[in-house]
Amino acid sequence: AQRVTQPEKLLSVFKGAPVELKCNYSYSGSPELFWYVQYSRQRLQLLLRHISRESIKGFTADLNKGETSFHLKKPFAQEEDSAMYYCALTVNRDNYGQNFVFGPGTRLSVLP
Amino acid sequence: NAGVTQTPKFRVLKTGQSMTLLCAQDMNHEYMYWYRQDPGMGLRLIHYSVGEGTTAKGEVPDGYNVSRLKKQNFLLGLESAAPSQTSVYFCASSEAGSYETQYFGPGTRLLVL
Repeated sequence: AQRVTQPEKLLSVFKGAPVELKCNYSYSGSPELFWYVQYSRQRLQLLLRHISRESIKGFTADLNKGETSFHLKKPFAQEEDSAMYYCALTVNRDNYGQNFVFGPGTRLSVLP
Repeated sequence: NAGVTQTPKFRVLKTGQSMTLLCAQDMNHEYMYWYRQDPGMGLRLIHYSVGEGTTAKGEVPDGYNVSRLKKQNFLLGLESAAPSQTSVYFCASSEAGSYETQYFGPGTRLLVL
């Protein structure tokens, strides 16, 4: 079965320090991965997705198929990055669209 | 545009009562989803729909039913609520096709006593 794991429930770093949020997945097909973020009192929203190969708010994520990982990285954390981060994997349902499998989430706390 | 809205925001039920959660989107999206969020478990897909009149089971469908009579609305029903259904429920929508971004509603907090 498809699965997404995020080993850290809570990650605390100081402002200006590098941050890496870990995500590992298990999926026999060709994966498509996303990072979603939920800031305090805001809705869950897309941060970035693998297929776009983009950098959003200084965050990047590289898909490593050998290690089945999609870790989220930022070289210099900011206090406004404090939020709950979810890694997600899309699963193709044969001829019936696709749905998402979310990891349990990691709460990032950036300390001043 | 309001995006994705959910009604109600908060509800308390007694075991055995029924209720319906309403999700509405004004983005003309084909796909809609219902998730539940529980501590330490992330979001788990309950049911989803790839178009008006169609629904499909997700990861945790037991105890829930859904309907998509209109493209813009996706209803989640609990026929006989149980304490295990205490959770925060999120609705989302996306354009048709693989790998599209999901847009989430603000959530509905449900407490079943």
